[in-house]
Amino acid sequence: AQSVAQPEDQVNVAEGNPLTVKCTYSVSGNPYLFWYVQYPNRGLQFLLKYITGDNLVKGSYGFEAEFNKSQTSFHLKKPSALVSDSALYFCAVRDKGNGNTPLVFGKGTRLSVIA
Amino acid sequence: DVKVTQSSRYLVKRTGEKVFLECVQDMDHENMFWYRQDPGLGLRLIYFSYDVKMKEKGDIPEGYSVSREKKERFSLILESASTNQTSMYLCASSFAGGQGATDTQYFGPGTRLTVL
Repeated sequence: AQSVAQPEDQVNVAEGNPLTVKCTYSVSGNPYLFWYVQYPNRGLQFLLKYITGDNLVKGSYGFEAEFNKSQTSFHLKKPSALVSDSALYFCAVRDKGNGNTPLVFGKGTRLSVIA
Repeated sequence: DVKVTQSSRYLVKRTGEKVFLECVQDMDHENMFWYRQDPGLGLRLIYFSYDVKMKEKGDIPEGYSVSREKKERFSLILESASTNQTSMYLCASSFAGGQGATDTQYFGPGTRLTVL
């Protein structure tokens, strides 16, 4: 079975400070990992994904995420937060060996960037 | 540009009514998905489809059915709406194949359904 956990319901950070949104996963094989963002009253937008290769993945809007196999984590990071980054963030996982199965999403972390 | 559209942004229905939520994608994706989103529960998969006329149950299919008669269209049906089906409904689509590069799911804007 595959699962993903986002241990923080809410993250608050001051504008200009670095931000981290945490994600840990569980799969039986090797993972495909994704981050999505949802702005108010909108659908989910794709930010970035890890498939293979370099553990540091760069995505949209200056976000990046680091795949750590030993800690089964895929934390989302940004060096300098903007007020406009305030949104709901979802991590998702899929086991590479599971064929064409849907992504499994975490429960989401609400990021609030304070000016 | 990738596009997934949903028939309504907001919908208000009465208990017992039959409700149709429509989703259309223009990317020639094989896979389509329906989720509901509730505060504190994240996204929960209702049904998905890998091809025309094919459907698979997700985690919470009870009270819902789906229809996929054409590749680009995936409909979610609430046979007899109940108040506990008040939620945000999100449709998504993706290419098939199980290869990581093609697994990105693209989402529509969502339909906020209220059942009174």
